[in-house]
Amino acid sequence: NAGVTQTPKFQVLKTGQSMTLQCAQDMNHEYMSWYRQDPGMGLRLIHYSVGAGITDQGEVPNGYNVSRSTTEDFPLRLLSAAPSQTSVYFCASTRGYTYEQYFGPGTRLTVT
Amino acid sequence: AQSVTQPDIHITVSEGASLELRCNYSYGATPYLFWYVQSPGQGLQLLLKYFSGDTLVQGIKGFEAEFKRSQSSFNLRKPSVHWSDAAEYFCAVGAGDYKLSFGAGTTVTVRA
Repeated sequence: NAGVTQTPKFQVLKTGQSMTLQCAQDMNHEYMSWYRQDPGMGLRLIHYSVGAGITDQGEVPNGYNVSRSTTEDFPLRLLSAAPSQTSVYFCASTRGYTYEQYFGPGTRLTVT
Repeated sequence: AQSVTQPDIHITVSEGASLELRCNYSYGATPYLFWYVQSPGQGLQLLLKYFSGDTLVQGIKGFEAEFKRSQSSFNLRKPSVHWSDAAEYFCAVGAGDYKLSFGAGTTVTVRA
């Protein structure tokens, strides 16, 4: 099993550009989520999904969109990048209906 | 809503010395509690978890944590640290909806 994979590892965007961060898991987990990590703030939940076709907002959803067309994939879209979105982004999937989350390696995004 | 406080931003410990990282949570019922570790440039790895039962929980890499309901705490300990334990440690709480709330993290530096 590859676990949770994320692409790209690094990305630089200009203000106003859009892009999609990819996340995939091969563990057949129903629950997936996106976090952003900023210094001194821990991880904050952006969006999450409890299954294919179902998504919901987390703590900091503004400026981000998600969709979940398959169990395996959960992409995160930045519609119009802003410098405030400079961060490290982590995708996670949850084993069964527990809270035990498995994290991807992260995507480091810089918006200039 | 649930929340997590990690009072120590940074701890420096000598190799071979003991380590204790503090975590306090806010939640009305019995929470699900977690400790994750993040090595530099890596994703998060689950160290241990508490759901119910024995309040002293053993995890990987020689770590343990104790749940104290009266103090709303879930402190992480290791009797003798190794240089490879230098990392950032996150306490997290889950409560009722399969989402996790993370603390801001504690960075551990190990000196020779």
